[in-house]
Amino acid sequence: KAGVTQTPRYLIKTRGQQVTLSCSPISGHRSVSWYQQTPGQGLQFLFEYFSETQRNKGNFPGRFSGRQFSNSRSEMNVSTLELGDSALYLCASSLQKGIGRSYEQYFGPGTRLTVT
Amino acid sequence: GENVEQHPSTLSVQEGDSAVIKCTYSDSASNYFPWYKQELGKGPQLIIDIRSNVGEKKDQRIAVTLNKTAKHFSLHITETQPEDSAVYFCAAKSVLVFGKGTRLSVIA
Repeated sequence: KAGVTQTPRYLIKTRGQQVTLSCSPISGHRSVSWYQQTPGQGLQFLFEYFSETQRNKGNFPGRFSGRQFSNSRSEMNVSTLELGDSALYLCASSLQKGIGRSYEQYFGPGTRLTVT
Repeated sequence: GENVEQHPSTLSVQEGDSAVIKCTYSDSASNYFPWYKQELGKGPQLIIDIRSNVGEKKDQRIAVTLNKTAKHFSLHITETQPEDSAVYFCAAKSVLVFGKGTRLSVIA
């Protein structure tokens, strides 16, 4: 079974631009979560989607948004990029079938975003 | 919300020795505790997890223990090998709240 794939793997943008990152979950997985990883803050939760609905959201500004499509693929968008948005953005998928039940999350390799 | 503390931040062991990484959590309602291993240039890889109804779980050289009363859980790696060198993260709950990570270096 193929793992979680993320595209692109590397991205360089300038301040003020916007960016869209893509994630394809493991086949059959319906939950997709996004995390931001930086050396200073570690791994921080951005948001989770399940069946095209945002189910949970972390403490990030509104410039960070996401969506999930009917085939469970997900995208996240960051508008008006700031230098501090430079990070590794990780997507994780899980089989999670309902709220309140924790299922294993499997991570993709991440997209490394550099903002100059 | 949940808060996860992880110690130590760096750990060096001799090949063949054991390594122990500890995490504490704050939300007594958390019921799922995974451990991830992250190698350079890769995403975190789930290596073992434990649920709140179990006190210990083993998988070959890796074991995790959970103390719900004290709200802490630990990762134990025995007979460490150079390929165990990586950053290890603990996490709690379903919307995962991660510890800051432990950089393990196994010296051959």
